[in-house]
Amino acid sequence: DAGITQSPRYKITETGRQVTLMCHQTWSHSYMFWYRQDLGHGLRLIYYSAAADITDKGEVPDGYVVSRSKTENFPLTLESATRSQTSVYFCASSYGLAVSYEQYFGPGTRLTVT
Amino acid sequence: GQSLEQPSEVTAVEGAIVQINCTYQTSGFYGLSWYQQHDGGAPTFLSYNALDGLEETGRFSSFLSRSDSYGYLLLQELQMKDSASYFCAVRNSGNTPLVFGKGTRLSVIA
Repeated sequence: DAGITQSPRYKITETGRQVTLMCHQTWSHSYMFWYRQDLGHGLRLIYYSAAADITDKGEVPDGYVVSRSKTENFPLTLESATRSQTSVYFCASSYGLAVSYEQYFGPGTRLTVT
Repeated sequence: GQSLEQPSEVTAVEGAIVQINCTYQTSGFYGLSWYQQHDGGAPTFLSYNALDGLEETGRFSSFLSRSDSYGYLLLQELQMKDSASYFCAVRNSGNTPLVFGKGTRLSVIA
């Protein structure tokens, strides 16, 4: 199906473990983004990518790693999960950065780090 | 630095009109967007303003005044389904992504 998907939708992991959140889009959008959403903080950008093999840091990149070997996929890895990384993670994609380009968000991954 | 300010909560009556304000302080400005998010859902795009003035999309309108660093989202004929969080977001340079505000939670009551 066309669109943007995320997996898993829910994840519980332990402190110190590595966890990867997956994001896949079928529109061939150039740009992809990872956000985290916490109560009281709105949406904060973690990393974004302008194209395959081009990634850049956002507002809160520490503790996260991204890669983009294919245009359609943009996985986010927490190398050693901490409790402060408990959050809802949204992936998004768009044709470009201009405000006229809608960002399409995936359904989100709710991550709990115990 | 950059900052966006919007009220944390707004309550309005079904059928009424509500305005959600957004003020911003940025080093540059390349446009303002609005997104809606229902509880448990993903944000969805509502509108954008790159130039001053009012943009209308059905019951929703968005306004921008670049000289005042201010914008607002206007929702008319409120319906219960409009209960959601609303985020303003700005681009402050030509090659950086949107920066989102913390959101305004709108509650529509009967």
